[in-house]
Amino acid sequence: QVQLVQSGAELKKPGSSVKVSCKTSGATFSSYSISWVRQAPGQGLEWMGRIIPVIGSPSHSQKFQGRLTISADASTTTIHMELRSLKSDDTAVYYCARDSGYQMLPYYFDYWGRGTLVTVSS
Amino acid sequence: EVVMTQSPATQSVSPGERATLSCRASQSIRSALAWYQQKPGQAPRLLIYGASTRATGIPARFSGSGSGTEFTLTISSLQSEDFAVYYCQQYNMWPDTFGQGTKLEIK
Repeated sequence: QVQLVQSGAELKKPGSSVKVSCKTSGATFSSYSISWVRQAPGQGLEWMGRIIPVIGSPSHSQKFQGRLTISADASTTTIHMELRSLKSDDTAVYYCARDSGYQMLPYYFDYWGRGTLVTVSS
Repeated sequence: EVVMTQSPATQSVSPGERATLSCRASQSIRSALAWYQQKPGQAPRLLIYGASTRATGIPARFSGSGSGTEFTLTISSLQSEDFAVYYCQQYNMWPDTFGQGTKLEIK
């Protein structure tokens, strides 16, 4: 069974950073790329970026250029998403999702984590 | 980027009836279109990929059609568990983009 286990909710102040993790299985880590998708309260879905875990090369939406780092830790088969210089409109549920392929291309998402609520408030 | 437009924003349908949801792409995306269902407090669930292929475990009452710029998700006979928000997503061109969603509510 494919599982993506995300870290818990976070409360952050404007201007700070948040790091969300997504624990995968070894098979997923070695054979699929992983994306991050976020959803602001009451809003739709927004793709942020993806990584090929075993290679470690990420690709980001230009909207997050300079603020977003996606990384992979092979020792724990965990993907990390760090977003810096947080603003109130970064308040959202952040999902990791398994891509349907393994290259730095657009994909559909066949499995999703449960999501991590990040609240940015002073 | 490819802009995905879903219509209607909200659709009211009675259980047992058919629902038809639309998704339009701002440029041709061939058949690189997926549909997701999302219930409150849950992650999205993949229903359809390749515009018309049901994902594993998805009931046959869900069907997808279309190619190019016009796509449709049809739910043939609505069950109580089908009332949710539905999103389309294109994966033909970077960056991956989603529609704004259609909320399917009980009439």
